This record gives sequence, C-alpha cells and structure tokens, in this order.
Amino acid sequence: GQQLNQSPQSMFIQEGEDVSMNCTSSSIFNTWLWYKQDPGEGPVLLIALYKAGELTSNGRLTAQFGITRKDSFLNISASIPSDVGIYFCAGQPRNYGGSQGNLIFGKGTKLSVKP
Amino acid sequence: NAGVTQTPKFQVLKTGQSMTLQCAQDMNHEYMSWYRQDPGMGLRLIHYSVGAGITDQGEVPNGYNVSRSTTEDFPLRLLSAAPSQTSVYFCASTRQGSSHNSPLHFGNGTRLTVT
Repeated sequence: GQQLNQSPQSMFIQEGEDVSMNCTSSSIFNTWLWYKQDPGEGPVLLIALYKAGELTSNGRLTAQFGITRKDSFLNISASIPSDVGIYFCAGQPRNYGGSQGNLIFGKGTKLSVKP
Repeated sequence: NAGVTQTPKFQVLKTGQSMTLQCAQDMNHEYMSWYRQDPGMGLRLIHYSVGAGITDQGEVPNGYNVSRSTTEDFPLRLLSAAPSQTSVYFCASTRQGSSHNSPLHFGNGTRLTVT
C-alpha cells in the first residue's frame, strides 16, 4: 500500500528552539494534513494543505505543500513545553479509489523536551 | 457539542473473546472510520463508512466487522480477539462531498489489550 516517510522519528527540543519535520511520498498527493497527538488523546488537526506550493501558518506553526506534490514540511518556531507530543503527516494520493475521507498517515515524529 | 465519543477507554480481553468498541458522533457527519495505532506506526485504516447502511474495508480489515445503522453510530466488532489486535483504536468522522478533503475529527481512543 501507499506509504508516507516521515522524519525525524523523534527529536528533543529546548524551549525557544525552532523545529522542522517533513514527510515524503513516492506518489503524488492531493492533500497534505498535519496532526498533533497528545498522550491519551486522539490526533488533532493543525494545518491542512490543498494546493501544490501552498504555504500556510497557524500561529507558530508553518507548513508547506511541496511543489512536486510528493512532500510536505512542518516548522514550529520558538518552541514551548506544550509543543511536546507526536506529530503526524497525513494525506490522500491522487487517483485514490476510496472515499475522500480516507487518509494515509506517516509514522509520526515524537517531540520531547531536552533533559 | 461532544464531537466523537468512544467507549470504553480501556479494555482487556482474553484470546477468543468478542467485544464491540463503540463510537458516536453528534456532528451529523456522513463519513466515519476506524483506525488502529501501534507503537512506531502511524494510524492504519480498518473500516470506513460514507453513510448509514454503507461500509467498506480499509487497509487492515481482517478480524474486524462494522455496521452503520444510523448516521451517529459506527461500532467496531472483534468476533474472536487475538493478541495481534492489541492496539489503540481511534474512531474518526468528517463531512462528505466537499471540494476539499474535510479534516478528520478523532475520538480519544480505546486502548485494547488481548492476553
């Protein structure tokens, strides 16, 4: 099946640092979404991207839909402790035969605080 | 507005037992789906439904049944639990038919352990 390669798998942040993560696919995607999951909860949508080249911000978060439509990145500026959690990229490939609600998820990037 | 509600939050089963994971949404969403989340993996689609009376298989449907008798409810049934079904299960919903993929709204998950 389709796979999304998300990196890094994990990272440690210090308050105030900028954070960057990305997602790549071997096939073209129509949609890129970024979710955050806090412990014991379901993923919550952060940013949705629908057009190649689109750059969208949500507060300190910025995400871009790659021009090739095969990748996306998420940046977090000036990180704060509550940014810790697991971040997932998700999307739907072009010409996907199933429902438009079905998403393929990356394996996640776990953000932790530096000890 | 409760959103997507999943019950129970935790469940322990013995191999071979059956159970139903409940999911209800109060947003009048046509689309509902079930995902499972395993350590180091993203979320994988089990089954989905685009409306009452309509269900279809996702990426990992084996061992699970679903039904959609009402718009609000989408239960997931394990007929004979196996240790490989130990996982965290998430229910999600969204609107259908918009021009963009409508973002999924997730419940808070059911953590299932099969011994």
